[in-house]
Amino acid sequence: EDKVVQSPLSLVVHEGDTVTLNCSYEVTNFRSLLWYKQEKKAPTFLFMLTSSGIEKKSGRLSSILDKKELSSILNITATQTGDSAIYLCAVNSGGSNYKLTFGKGTLLTVNP
Amino acid sequence: EADIYQTPRYLVIGTGKKITLECSQTMGHDKMYWYQQDPGMELHLIHYSYGVNSTEKGDLSSESTVSRIRTEHFPLTLESARPSHTSQYLCATSSGSLLVQFFGPGTRLTVL
Repeated sequence: EDKVVQSPLSLVVHEGDTVTLNCSYEVTNFRSLLWYKQEKKAPTFLFMLTSSGIEKKSGRLSSILDKKELSSILNITATQTGDSAIYLCAVNSGGSNYKLTFGKGTLLTVNP
Repeated sequence: EADIYQTPRYLVIGTGKKITLECSQTMGHDKMYWYQQDPGMELHLIHYSYGVNSTEKGDLSSESTVSRIRTEHFPLTLESARPSHTSQYLCATSSGSLLVQFFGPGTRLTVL
């Protein structure tokens, strides 16, 4: 059974801090790892990492995939209150399977 | 505009009622998914469809049923709601061989 574990489960920081969120996985046939940001309701897509694309960056957010350690990190620099959200990690185990297995998420709170 | 719509957004009903949660999309995507999410917990896949007249049960056992008669429509039905069905239900779509799933705004269901 595929498994995704995120840490920490919650984190409180001050505006301007840099944070690192962790995601580790155990899947039978890794194909891709995705990061989502969930504010009040629907998760919104941030990044997808695969064997051919192990590092992604968009503005203050960046993510790296470590296939050897079966893990990924999501970095947010110069945090803002608008970054407060649940950050979800999901993994696809490939083949003809398009399903995603999600972790519990990290609740990030950025205080002014 | 390409989007995913879910109705109702909030629903409070009594035990034993039959309900249908609607999900429709103008994304032009062939694959659709239903997830259940309790507070502080992972998204759990309960149903998915890779095309018209194709539906499968997900990893989390659910008493709900789904249908996919039209590409853009993927309703979820509970024949007899119970308090244990209280949760948030999220609909998602994806296209072709792409693994990124896009989410609708969700339906918050409360069964009294």
